[in-house]
Amino acid sequence: NAGVTQTPKFRILKIGQSMTLQCTQDMNHNYMYWYRQDPGMGLKLIYYSVGAGITDKGEVPNGYNVSRSTTEDFPLRLELAAPSQTSVYFCASRPGQGIETQYFGPGTRLLVL
Amino acid sequence: AQSVTQLGSHVSVSEGALVLLRCNYSSSVPPYLFWYVQYPNQGLQLLLKYTSAATLVKGINGFEAEFKKSETSFHLTKPSAHMSDAAEYFCAVTPGSQGNLIFGKGTKLSVKP
Repeated sequence: NAGVTQTPKFRILKIGQSMTLQCTQDMNHNYMYWYRQDPGMGLKLIYYSVGAGITDKGEVPNGYNVSRSTTEDFPLRLELAAPSQTSVYFCASRPGQGIETQYFGPGTRLLVL
Repeated sequence: AQSVTQLGSHVSVSEGALVLLRCNYSSSVPPYLFWYVQYPNQGLQLLLKYTSAATLVKGINGFEAEFKKSETSFHLTKPSAHMSDAAEYFCAVTPGSQGNLIFGKGTKLSVKP
């Protein structure tokens, strides 16, 4: 049981480039989340999904897109990378019944230059 | 709107000393409260959670937190700090059963030998 896995671990992008951050969970969780973490700012919710085919915006969705075609995968897409998107990105999941723990992946560190 | 305030972005204690990390919340509905820990270059891991069952909540690694409605607080304590407790700690709130966590900005705990 790998839990929540994220790839890549680290990436450098040039301004204007695009990329997809991958997130996969093998716990059959319905809910999945994408957060960004900036120093001294805690975690901010970018997008979330309550099940395959259903996504919704969080607090800071601008500049990002998501899709959820399967229960396991929840990729995050950056279309036109900007320096403001330099951050550490975390994916998380939870079963979806009641007040359960969110399980976090190890994170992707992204640097946009 | 729900929010979380963590007092002190950096706390330093000596090994064996009491650890006290402060968290105050604002919520228009009965809150569910969480403490997560993040070790360097890792994702977040749940320490403990309050879901209205008991006001004193015990978590992993000897940590506990007490929910005080009158003070809108959920402070994290550990009687005796260990070097391995050095990490960043995040308090989070979720309004009702929706499950979208709102995080505080984090408190980095340093433990001196």
